[in-house]
Amino acid sequence: NAGVTQTPKFQVLKTGQSMTLQCAQDMNHNSMYWYRQDPGMGLRLIYYSASEGTTDKGEVPNGYNVSRLNKREFSLRLESAAPSQTSVYFCASSGWGTGTGTTDTQYFGPGTRLTVL
Amino acid sequence: DAKTTQPPSMDCAEGRAANLPCNHSTISGNEYVYWYRQIHSQGPQYIIHGLKNNETNEMASLIITEDRKSSTLILPHATLRDTAVYYCIAYTGAGSYQLTFGKGTKLSVIP
Repeated sequence: NAGVTQTPKFQVLKTGQSMTLQCAQDMNHNSMYWYRQDPGMGLRLIYYSASEGTTDKGEVPNGYNVSRLNKREFSLRLESAAPSQTSVYFCASSGWGTGTGTTDTQYFGPGTRLTVL
Repeated sequence: DAKTTQPPSMDCAEGRAANLPCNHSTISGNEYVYWYRQIHSQGPQYIIHGLKNNETNEMASLIITEDRKSSTLILPHATLRDTAVYYCIAYTGAGSYQLTFGKGTKLSVIP
């Protein structure tokens, strides 16, 4: 049981390049999330998918697109990377009745460290 | 979700109990108190959560005051690996989706 996995771990892009960050979970969770964390800051929600087939904007969606490929996978795409998108990106997933809780506890992946030059 | 307030930093001697306080005076009745920690730049790690009653798991204990306006996370025997930033979050669960991470408490476990 790997939990939430993310690829790649590190990435360096030039301004204007595109890339897709991949996320997968093996906990049979319905909901998945993408957050970004800038240095010294808390996490901010970019997009989330409450269930397979749905996606919604979070706090900071501009410059990003997402795809909920299936129940396991949720990808984040940067179409034209900008230096302001240099950050650490975390994927999370959640599902009712898992682990110790009856609420929708979110579990996080290890992160992707992205630098845009 | 309700705002939470935590001290910016705390020290704890290795092997002693670490008690991390959190104030959430505006918490609503359907909001849970969640605790996460982030070790260095790793992904946030879920620790524990509770609504009204005290909770304990293999990692920690959570003590919530009767009026629910504050709580304390207890790491019973802190080790060096517990050095991290600890976040207290008030969260309703499904429907609100975004976990709001504040600045947290930087816990330093000292040998």
